Amino acid sequence: DVKVTQSSRYLVKRTGEKVFLECVQDMDHENMFWYRQDPGLGLRLIYFSYDVKMKEKGDIPEGYSVSREKKERFSLILESASTNQTSMYLCASSSAKGGNQPQHFGDGTRLSIL
Amino acid sequence: DQQVKQNSPSLSVQEGRISILNCDYTNSMFDYFLWYKKYPAEGPTFLISISSIKDKNEDGRFTVFLNKSAKHLSLHIVPSQPGDSAVYFCAASEGRVDSNYQLIWGAGTKLIIKP
Repeated sequence: DVKVTQSSRYLVKRTGEKVFLECVQDMDHENMFWYRQDPGLGLRLIYFSYDVKMKEKGDIPEGYSVSREKKERFSLILESASTNQTSMYLCASSSAKGGNQPQHFGDGTRLSIL
Repeated sequence: DQQVKQNSPSLSVQEGRISILNCDYTNSMFDYFLWYKKYPAEGPTFLISISSIKDKNEDGRFTVFLNKSAKHLSLHIVPSQPGDSAVYFCAASEGRVDSNYQLIWGAGTKLIIKP
């Protein structure tokens, strides 16, 4: 089974802080994704990466950056946290081999910015 | 512009009956469709998918139907069980290597199974 592990289930930070969310997958997947989920809006893609050191902006990259130094690890960084970044953050990975493949998700990080 | 729409925010079904969740899309280039299930405080779990070359895919109690001409897909759960109570997301992909198989997501439908 694919295992995607997010470092924290719940996190509380203050406005202006730099926040790091970590994600690790154990299936040697090429693709990794960061989403945020807000009620009534579904999942919105922040950034994704299809290879080590490669990154692509998703639909809502503003206020975020990412890092992928190793294939198994994909980090999301909130440069200067703001209250509108309070949300559920979801990391996912998928294989790039064999065409269409489902994405596999971690359990999410519920982030509150005070 | 929402390319994937789930027009019912919630659905309530009696235990043992059929649950039908609907999803509409606008992009005719989508060729791969997925359904995910999500419990509160957990990540989405992949349920079932369908390629555009098919019109039906079945896995146990779950069946997905695809109507390409109507740009509509549906998920049928038969029979519905209490553990099926969750939010269900529909997602679609153009299936292109250069899009890295990005998924476009609907807003979700909350399914409540009544005992």
